[in-house]
Amino acid sequence: EVQLVESGGGLVQPGGSLRLSCAASGFTFSNSWMHWVRQAPGKGLVWVSLINTDGSTTIYADSVKGRFTISRDNAKNTLSLQMNSLRAEDTAVYYCVRGGTDGWYWGQGTLVTVSS
Amino acid sequence: DIVMTQSPDSLAVSLGERATINCKSSQSILNSSNNKNKLAWYQQKPGQPPKLVIYWASTRESGVPDRFSGSGSGTDFTLTISSLQAEDVAVYYCQHYYRTPYTFGQGTKLEIK
Repeated sequence: EVQLVESGGGLVQPGGSLRLSCAASGFTFSNSWMHWVRQAPGKGLVWVSLINTDGSTTIYADSVKGRFTISRDNAKNTLSLQMNSLRAEDTAVYYCVRGGTDGWYWGQGTLVTVSS
Repeated sequence: DIVMTQSPDSLAVSLGERATINCKSSQSILNSSNNKNKLAWYQQKPGQPPKLVIYWASTRESGVPDRFSGSGSGTDFTLTISSLQAEDVAVYYCQHYYRTPYTFGQGTKLEIK
């Protein structure tokens, strides 16, 4: 069974930084493209970033480009998202997602709140 | 960017009746290599993450009841629940995975009438 457990969320001031982590199990992590998707309170789903299997390719939504960095450690089955220069509009639940053409599988999410 | 537009925004259906949700993409999401559409449907209940229901526009995810079905091609797609059950109350999202940025519809809130 696919399991994705996010951690690292919390309250941060505007302009601050936060690092999210996702522990993966139940599938071959090193063979899977991975994503971060976020959902602001009461709003819809917004794709944030993807990383390919070996980390050589990363792509970002325009809204986070230059501020967020996605990375992975295949030895530890871990996905990360380094978020810098955070803004109020980055407030959301951040989901770690296993990608693939046969559908995406989601973790429970971790809440990031950017507020002074 | 490919824009995904769902209709309606909300829907109230009686138990046992059919529920139909539509999704339109701003351009074709047909994968030429296998002639399948790169579209998925997700169900999200309050306080829970999205759950995969349908992928490749019409393939039901393992464990999803057969009252759920997906159809359509090119730019127009439909999620149908043939006989609504109480546990189907949720927000449903369509999503394309044709190319980045991957985008979602705005969501359709399905309720019991």
